[in-house]
Amino acid sequence: SAVISQKPSRDICQRGTSLTIQCQVDSQVTMMFWYRQQPGQSLTLIATANQGSEATYESGFVIDKFPISRPNLTFSTLTVSNMSPEDSSIYLCSGCSRSGGKAFFGQGTRLTVV
Amino acid sequence: QKEVEQNSGPLSVPEGAIASLNCTYSDRVSQSFFWYRQYSGKSPELIMSIYSNGDKEDGRFTAQLNKASQYVSLLIRDSQPSDSATYLCAVNKDYGQNFVFGPGTRLSVLP
Repeated sequence: SAVISQKPSRDICQRGTSLTIQCQVDSQVTMMFWYRQQPGQSLTLIATANQGSEATYESGFVIDKFPISRPNLTFSTLTVSNMSPEDSSIYLCSGCSRSGGKAFFGQGTRLTVV
Repeated sequence: QKEVEQNSGPLSVPEGAIASLNCTYSDRVSQSFFWYRQYSGKSPELIMSIYSNGDKEDGRFTAQLNKASQYVSLLIRDSQPSDSATYLCAVNKDYGQNFVFGPGTRLSVLP
């Protein structure tokens, strides 16, 4: 299975500030994704991180709020900007492998906005 | 109609019984199918993948796929309390993009 490292694992942030989450994957991964998971809910795809170009955002998510970078194949960041308590959630980095299209997940970042 | 549907549960089974988890999907062009297990407070963990019609067994887990009926299932034999988790069905249309997750079924295995 692919190895995906994500940090920080958790953070408590003041409203109005921004947090950047980092994700490092191994070379088996071709595509990278960012998900949000609110308590008791399933995964919601935020965007696909594209290497060297703008991310592809899902409906309801915009670049100004969730800027994403992927400067190379194995690294991506998600920033949660101008945070409000409604942004409190778990954010998950995911990578999809070349073999069989399997998706693997980082450990997740538990964000609490106060 | 949602792309991937599952019963939210909770599904409760006694220890040692067979747990049966079901999933339906709407897009006929879907190519690959996965089951993930997610413990509370943890990230999803891949437990089974299946790509062709029929059954695929791995230890106590059996995945079943019926593309004509657009149906995927996961059977867990000899269920253990440690199997208590949320199980997510996922469907991938083209081996990398368009990875869609179902809402998950919460399984509780009672000692």
